[in-house]
Amino acid sequence: AQSVTQLDSQVPVFEEAPVELRCNYSSSVSVYLFWYVQYPNQGLQLLLKYLSGSTLVESINGFEAEFNKSQTSFHLRKPSVHISDTAEYFCAVSVDNQGGKLIFGQGTELSVKP
Amino acid sequence: GAVVSQHPSRVICKSGTSVKIECRSLDFQATTMFWYRQFPKQSLMLMATSNEGSKATYEQGVEKDKFLINHASLTLSTLTVTSAHPEDSSFYICSAYIIEPSLGPDTQYFGPGTRLTVL
Repeated sequence: AQSVTQLDSQVPVFEEAPVELRCNYSSSVSVYLFWYVQYPNQGLQLLLKYLSGSTLVESINGFEAEFNKSQTSFHLRKPSVHISDTAEYFCAVSVDNQGGKLIFGQGTELSVKP
Repeated sequence: GAVVSQHPSRVICKSGTSVKIECRSLDFQATTMFWYRQFPKQSLMLMATSNEGSKATYEQGVEKDKFLINHASLTLSTLTVTSAHPEDSSFYICSAYIIEPSLGPDTQYFGPGTRLTVL
């Protein structure tokens, strides 16, 4: 079975500071990895995903995540955050033979302060 | 990108009544739809997997007689919370799963969610 652990439930940072949201997973088979963002009272939006190939993946709004197989991690980073990045961030995994099921981490609340 | 809608966005009902939530994929056909519930400040919990034309598969601990799922077409799935009670109050989110080689093997698009409050 797969599991996902997001090590930080809350991450407060100041605007323009760098941020890293940590995600570790456990799986005996190859996984696909995702980061989703959720704004208050809204559904989830896909931020970025790792399926194969380059271990560094980027989103259009400056976030990036690196797949590290040896450390079973998929940490999300941004070099300079904005107030508008304040949201809940979820790391998730899926595997090929489970029909698209996603297993989510507990979520990390990113709070960007001016 | 693909769009998934949910209706209603918010619903308040009395205890004992039933509530139906619709999930539609607007510009694509989804082979599978998933239903999640989310409690405040918590992660999404998968409730069931819904495939068009077949019975839904429920996760362990989810009452299938309480949470009725109907997947009538490739663009519509409904979740009915029967005889709702205050403990059913939650944020319900659906997602549509699309198998599209150009998008990648595991692509889910999420609806905006439905806030259910049972009084």
